[in-house]
Order: sequence, then C-alpha cells, then structure tokens
Amino acid sequence: AQSVTQPDIHITVSEGASLELRCNYSYGATPYLFWYVQSPGQGLQLLLKYFSGDTLVQGIKGFEAEFKRGQSSFNLRKPSVHWSDAAEYFCAVVLNTGNQFYFGTGTSLTVIP
Amino acid sequence: EPEVTQTPSHQVTQMGQEVILRCVPISNHLYFYWYRQILGQKVEFLVSFYNNEISEKSEIFDDQFSVERPDGSNFTLKIRSTKLEDSAMYFCASRWPDTEAFFGQGTRLTVV
Repeated sequence: AQSVTQPDIHITVSEGASLELRCNYSYGATPYLFWYVQSPGQGLQLLLKYFSGDTLVQGIKGFEAEFKRGQSSFNLRKPSVHWSDAAEYFCAVVLNTGNQFYFGTGTSLTVIP
Repeated sequence: EPEVTQTPSHQVTQMGQEVILRCVPISNHLYFYWYRQILGQKVEFLVSFYNNEISEKSEIFDDQFSVERPDGSNFTLKIRSTKLEDSAMYFCASRWPDTEAFFGQGTRLTVV
C-alpha cells in the first residue's frame, strides 16, 4: 500500500543541538514532497517543498531537507534547534499524477533548555 | 499575502445536529480539500474537490458528509447528524496545480 512513514513519534532535543526528522514514502514514482509544521492550536504551515532538481532544499526558519531517491526518504534537518521550534512536524506527499496530499503520522518535537 | 480563511474557529454542537464548516480558499486556486485531525492524531484526508465536483474522497467521507462550492468563493463542509466521534479539528486547504497546499487555521468542532 502507498504510504508516508514518520518513524519517530516523539523526539526531544536540547536547545542548540542538531535535529533530523525522518520521512519515508512508498510510491512507485517520485512524488512531490513537503514538510509542514503545526504549532499548538495552529494550522499547518509549509516549511519546504521538493518537486524536482536540486535534492537539497532550503526552507523557512533555518530548516532544510534532502531527497534521497534510493532510500525513498525526505528527512528534515536543522543544525541548531531553538525553543520556538517545539511543534508537530508532518511530512506530506502528493503524487504528480493526482492531487491528494498524503500525510505522515507526525513527529512531536520537544526542545529542552 | 493571500490566505485560506475558515469560520468559525470553534463550534460546539449537540449530537445529532447538522453543522456547516465554512472556508474561503485562495481565489485563483483550483483544488480544494478538507482534512480532519482528531486530537493527538494524524491529519486525515476527507475529500478533494476540483472543477465543481468531488475528485477523491476517503472512506471517512461517507453519506454523513457533503461539500459544496456554492458561489465560486466559499467551500463548505456539511456534517449531517453529528456524532461524538466527529469532534476534531477540520482543516480546509487549497492549491494551484503543481504547488503546495495552503491550509486554513482550522475549525475546532466539539460534539456534545
């Protein structure tokens, strides 16, 4: 079955530490890939996206993600986490043959001082 | 900056009542979506709408649900005979082809 997997339900990091959130997908073709962030009580805000081209994409708030075709992954990274980064992070894909967004189950990020 | 707006932000309704959740998508977008998120759970796809008709719907989107784009600007989700398990945050989204989806801030529906 086609799916988006975020293996880490909850991650805790210290402020200033580096961060990597994992995302894997299982689709026959390369989909369009996205990371969204949801702060408590808020909607979904786009962090970054990948459609084609350079496999390392830069986003807002200092985030970046790298598309690795061979691993079917699109992991989100940040070199130095800030307390305000505490939120829920969702990976999403949309097939370039369709229009439905498929979301992963989300990773909850806690940042400790 | 254009944005998707949803009203109301919070709605409380009695079980068995009908509710209508309203959304104003970004004006030149072509694809429209409803998602729901039960507290503490993942974001679940409900339905997508294109060219004035439903293009895809999930198994959650049964006969209890319907969508409309009545006037070319609003995009509504109607839930008939609400159940306790319909309590969730409902998100509307819109997009242009081959772009990201823009989400509204959500409507928190509480069924009592």
